[in-house]
Amino acid sequence: EPEVTQTPSHQVTQMGQEVILRCVPISNHLYFYWYRQILGQKVEFLVSFYNNEISEKSEIFDDQFSVERPDGSNFTLKIRSTKLEDSAMYFCASSDLGNGMNTEAFFGQGTRLTVV
Amino acid sequence: SQQGEEDPQALSIQEGENATMNCSYKTSINNLQWYRQNSGRGLVHLILIRSNEREKHSGRLRVTLDTSKKSSSLLITASRAADTASYFCATDDSNYQLIWGAGTKLIIKP
Repeated sequence: EPEVTQTPSHQVTQMGQEVILRCVPISNHLYFYWYRQILGQKVEFLVSFYNNEISEKSEIFDDQFSVERPDGSNFTLKIRSTKLEDSAMYFCASSDLGNGMNTEAFFGQGTRLTVV
Repeated sequence: SQQGEEDPQALSIQEGENATMNCSYKTSINNLQWYRQNSGRGLVHLILIRSNEREKHSGRLRVTLDTSKKSSSLLITASRAADTASYFCATDDSNYQLIWGAGTKLIIKP
């Protein structure tokens, strides 16, 4: 069964450092997403990506964040100059919006980012 | 309050009993999805119900959708210890972003 994979599963970084979270979406999917979940809180939308560009982003997704699909299979989230409050679980998801009705999103297992 | 609010926030039942969780939302939707999250783990998609559907089944799961009340319920029948998890509903807006509730923490006691 196809699945979304994320690496690493856990990343520890020092405050101020840059991190790149990696995701391999399901191969025939067209939309890609990043979400985050601060421990004990709700899942929050960060950004959606379609046709090699950002289609929507939330107010959380400020200049500190960027996304890229460098090679047609990977989808990355870069966080520049990490802050303590960036510590969270980051989820990548992909979906096929072929008919505009089926927006079932498939999620990866997440990357737990700990900023120290 | 935010789109996709689940209630109760926490639910503790005996193994074998049925568990019912509810979700309410505010704006019109294309569909509503339920996800499960085991502690510290990823999100597992359970079921998607479209705005023109009223009820959907998948194994021991039954989801209803009442668009007039802007609410949905997730029923897990014959609960098992492995059902212990947090359950989230997510609705999508016109831009297909998923908007999440805070979740219901379900504990199944053996």
